[in-house]
Amino acid sequence: AQKITQTQPGMFVQEKEAVTLDCTYDTSDPSYGLFWYKQPSSGEMIFLIYQGSYDQQNATEGRYSLNFQKARKSANLVISASQLGDSAMYFCAMREWETSGSRLTFGEGTQLTVNP
Amino acid sequence: DVKVTQSSRYLVKRTGEKVFLECVQDMDHENMFWYRQDPGLGLRLIYFSYDVKMKEKGDIPEGYSVSREKKERFSLILESASTNQTSMYLCASSLLSGSGANVLTFGAGSRLTVL
Repeated sequence: AQKITQTQPGMFVQEKEAVTLDCTYDTSDPSYGLFWYKQPSSGEMIFLIYQGSYDQQNATEGRYSLNFQKARKSANLVISASQLGDSAMYFCAMREWETSGSRLTFGEGTQLTVNP
Repeated sequence: DVKVTQSSRYLVKRTGEKVFLECVQDMDHENMFWYRQDPGLGLRLIYFSYDVKMKEKGDIPEGYSVSREKKERFSLILESASTNQTSMYLCASSLLSGSGANVLTFGAGSRLTVL
C-alpha cells in the first residue's frame, strides 16, 4: 500500500489567495513525523514544516500551516496569501520512527502554480 | 548553514559505463541518503548510511551500490549504467538524533542521462 498519497498532480491558485495541498498517509507505527518540502524549478529541496504524531497543535511556520487530522490520517499543507515565488513542486513525506528510523518516504508531489 | 554538495549537476553517460555520483556534507551529519526522483513517482530511497562504512538498502537498491569511507562523503555507484537509470539523483543528510534528526538537508541534485 502507498504510504504517502498526494492526489493532486497539479494545483492552480491566484496570487494572494490561500491554497491547500492534500496529503494522506498510512502507517501503523505509533510514533511518526510528517514533513512538507518545496522544490522550485532550480531543483533543490527546501524543508517547510514538520508535524510529530504526538504534537497536540497543528504546526505553523510563517505562511505555512499543517492541517493535521490524525484520525483521518491526513496532513494537508495550507499556504496563506500565495506569492508568485510559491510556484514549485511540493512533496509530503513521512518518517516512521519504529518501523524505519531515519528514513523518509515521499509522496508523488503536487505542482503548484500561482497566477498573477 | 548546512551544505550538501553534489559533485556534478548534469552528467551524460553511455550504457554500460560505470558512474560515480559524489556527495559531500559539511555539518558532521551521521545520516546520509541517496534518493532518485522521477516524474509522477516522487522521491524513492536507493540507499542510506548512518555511519562510516555502514549502509542500508532503501526501496530501489537494484543496480546501485554505495560507499561511505568518510563521514562527510557518500558516493552512489552505478556499476553498469542502463537507460532506465536516467533520472534526477538527490543526496541528503541529517543528524542521527535530536531535533535536527527531523530534517533532511538536500543537495541541488544530479541529473543523469544514460544513452
